[in-house]
Amino acid sequence: KNEVEQSPQNLTAQEGEFITINCSYSVGISALHWLQQHPGGGIVSLFMLSSGKKKHGRLIATINIQEKHSSLHITASHPRDSAVYICAVPRETSGSRLTFGEGTQLTVNP
Amino acid sequence: KAGVTQTPRYLIKTRGQQVTLSCSPISGHRSVSWYQQTPGQGLQFLFEYFSETQRNKGNFPGRFSGRQFSNSRSEMNVSTLELGDSALYLCASSFYNEQFFGPGTRLTVL
Repeated sequence: KNEVEQSPQNLTAQEGEFITINCSYSVGISALHWLQQHPGGGIVSLFMLSSGKKKHGRLIATINIQEKHSSLHITASHPRDSAVYICAVPRETSGSRLTFGEGTQLTVNP
Repeated sequence: KAGVTQTPRYLIKTRGQQVTLSCSPISGHRSVSWYQQTPGQGLQFLFEYFSETQRNKGNFPGRFSGRQFSNSRSEMNVSTLELGDSALYLCASSFYNEQFFGPGTRLTVL
């Protein structure tokens, strides 16, 4: 069993749909990162959260530390949201030494 | 503020050679972490440097090494390259646990 598990692995949606990506983890200390990777490789940090909920534009991330579970939601999805979404948890109190999920490949069709 | 920069962006080497990759963190960030991304293994933590000291190390052979300079710039070195070292190498600088990723160096070993 992977220490950080994401579901689904692949997701295809129509433009405008509400999207949810889930992440469960068995390791890590107190915080979780959601990352976005576009073709070409560059990774952008979307959220770092240790409790509750954060919102940035059409993106919402929630976390339940007790249950070691987080979700990333995208409202009113758009083709430009197509990317790989990766959750990661740090193994050190410094916040470093991230352990990554396998990623969710999201494709949003117009 | 300028983001994390990595040089070179692309590199082609042959088996047995060695390679040095460079990472310049965001100004003021003292922690630099390195990650390897391959299609088979996904993203994996290589090592972290903080104030010129290696603070954490992942599960990679001794052919992989790194260092950090007094200006927080970091280099990683891979000696005796193997085909399996072909990967995207990402560095991230962090400040108060939030990690900011560079664009990566894509290394191809022939």
